[in-house]
Amino acid sequence: KAGVTQTPRYLIKTRGQQVTLSCSPISGHRSVSWYQQTPGQGLQFLFEYFSETQRNKGNFPGRFSGRQFSNSRSEMNVSTLELGDSALYLCASSSGLAGDEQFFGPGTRLTVL
Amino acid sequence: GENVEQHPSTLSVQEGDSAVIKCTYSDSASNYFPWYKQELGKGPQLIIDIRSNVGEKKDQRIAVTLNKTAKHFSLHITETQPEDSAVYFCAASDGTGNQFYFGTGTSLTVIP
Repeated sequence: KAGVTQTPRYLIKTRGQQVTLSCSPISGHRSVSWYQQTPGQGLQFLFEYFSETQRNKGNFPGRFSGRQFSNSRSEMNVSTLELGDSALYLCASSSGLAGDEQFFGPGTRLTVL
Repeated sequence: GENVEQHPSTLSVQEGDSAVIKCTYSDSASNYFPWYKQELGKGPQLIIDIRSNVGEKKDQRIAVTLNKTAKHFSLHITETQPEDSAVYFCAASDGTGNQFYFGTGTSLTVIP
């Protein structure tokens, strides 16, 4: 069974630009969660999508948004990039059942210059 | 909301010794506690987990214990090997089970 895939793996943008990251979950999984990982803050929860609906949301500004398609693939968008948005963005796939295991992708390393 | 604290932030052990990482959580409704290992350049990998109806779980050299009353859980690695060197994260899922809260990570170094 294929694991979680994320594209692109690396991205360099400049301040003010916007970026879209993609995540394909494990086949059969309907939940995709997004996390931001930075050295100082650890893994911070962004949001979770289940069956094309945002089910949970963390404490990030509205510049961070996402969506999920009918095939469970998910995209995350960050608009008006700031230097502080430089981070590793991880997505995690699960069945969506309460307390079920989450499996992470390799992440997208975003650098904002 | 849930708050997960993890200690220590760094840990160095000699090869063959044991390593223990501890986490505490604040929300008594949390009922699922996974542990992840993250190697350089990779995403976190689930290594073991425990649910609130179990006090201890073991998988070869790795074990996790849970004390619901005290709201803490620990990861134990025995007979450590250099390939165990990585960053380890604990997590707790909230009462709905759909949102996870992570500790800040422990960087484990196993010295050959």
